[in-house]
Amino acid sequence: GAVVSQHPSRVICKSGTSVKIECRSLDFQATTMFWYRQFPKQSLMLMATSNEGSKATYEQGVEKDKFLINHASLTLSTLTVTSAHPEDSSFYICSARYREETQYFGPGTRLLVL
Amino acid sequence: LAKTTQPISMDSYEGQEVNITCSHNNIATNDYITWYQQFPSQGPRFIIQGYKTKVTNEVASLFIPADRKSSTLSLPRVSLSDTAVYYCLVASNTGGFKTIFGAGTRLFVKA
Repeated sequence: GAVVSQHPSRVICKSGTSVKIECRSLDFQATTMFWYRQFPKQSLMLMATSNEGSKATYEQGVEKDKFLINHASLTLSTLTVTSAHPEDSSFYICSARYREETQYFGPGTRLLVL
Repeated sequence: LAKTTQPISMDSYEGQEVNITCSHNNIATNDYITWYQQFPSQGPRFIIQGYKTKVTNEVASLFIPADRKSSTLSLPRVSLSDTAVYYCLVASNTGGFKTIFGAGTRLFVKA
């Protein structure tokens, strides 16, 4: 089956530092990946669409300068949370588009900003 | 993008069949319907996907009526480990592939 990995699975950082989260499609190539954010007891919220070789498309209300997305290859997209603050603490989940109509999700990354 | 509506929560007992219905009145011609399962602190797991009529795999069945304005996920003989949140998504290719999560259905399976 289609497998998507994320690294790290959890990270704790100090306020003001930057954190990079990697999303990899392990057994397929993905021209499109997605980044979601999920707060406790809530649904997933789409943050941005990452397209290989081009700029990401951000959803309304998501700061592109704060959440930097790079999709440098067909199997890797990265999300960098710059100058993280406690309110950025959340569960970040990526997904990769598989074929035309399906996406598979990574296991998620728990970010805690102190 | 087609908005999806599901029951907020459902309770069941072990061994029962559970049916979760999702409405997506504005589904477009090329949209597919996909169901995911999510456990706490994990990413959503693909369960099943369909376009019309009925689809069955080793874990679930998906029923889609002719008008495609709704779909029903059927879980046969649930167990305690099926306690999770279930999301119905409509995949839209209009303006680029995009899916928006609804609130999902919290299924609680009791012994």
